[in-house]
Amino acid sequence: GAGVSQSPSNKVTEKGKDVELRCDPISGHTALYWYRQRLGQGLEFLIYFQGNSAPDKSGLPSDRFSAERTGESVSTLTIQRTQQEDSAVYLCASSWSGTNSGNTIYFGEGSWLTVV
Amino acid sequence: AQSVTQLGSHVSVSEGALVLLRCNYSSSVPPYLFWYVQYPNQGLQLLLKYTSAATLVKGINGFEAEFKKSETSFHLTKPSAHMSDAAEYFCAVSEADTGNQFYFGTGTSLTVIP
Repeated sequence: GAGVSQSPSNKVTEKGKDVELRCDPISGHTALYWYRQRLGQGLEFLIYFQGNSAPDKSGLPSDRFSAERTGESVSTLTIQRTQQEDSAVYLCASSWSGTNSGNTIYFGEGSWLTVV
Repeated sequence: AQSVTQLGSHVSVSEGALVLLRCNYSSSVPPYLFWYVQYPNQGLQLLLKYTSAATLVKGINGFEAEFKKSETSFHLTKPSAHMSDAAEYFCAVSEADTGNQFYFGTGTSLTVIP
């Protein structure tokens, strides 16, 4: 597609429920990133996929968080047993990663999650 | 290890005044440096980037940034602030040997006073 697409754009869920957030990266981009942004705060790295390499999961805040990516396409971020502190915007981004680095990372519009 | 520090979480300038947003980085190898802007309720978009070509980089909307290796800085400037520049600005660094991993600063919120 033309840009990074995320769905849903808004999600309100009850505490304790599971949620899935989806990201469609730009076609051909081998790198995919998930970030979390709490209200009025900066970007918190969650997870990074690069081609067929093992993902960098070092930013996942707890074992309630997991993410998958099918090949070099769609990624799903899953939050189990949601808590109120999970309320945030979840931003997905992708970039092309060839032999030259310094490639631009492109962001989606984000999925706004509210846990009530 | 790579890191980015943005000095000043909030900056206010008068319309027409100089905008200066500070970014310092730490990197063990020559970095790639970026500035992103986030307008209210929107995603992040690229303003400009440095990838080892010219040290003075010009971006969109009249912004520019200068890479200063001796100071490990990549400050963002604009000669004359516009009301439409009010937004959150993020500095980021990536390196070839981290497989294109990106590290973001905590952001600077710019307010433009009419």
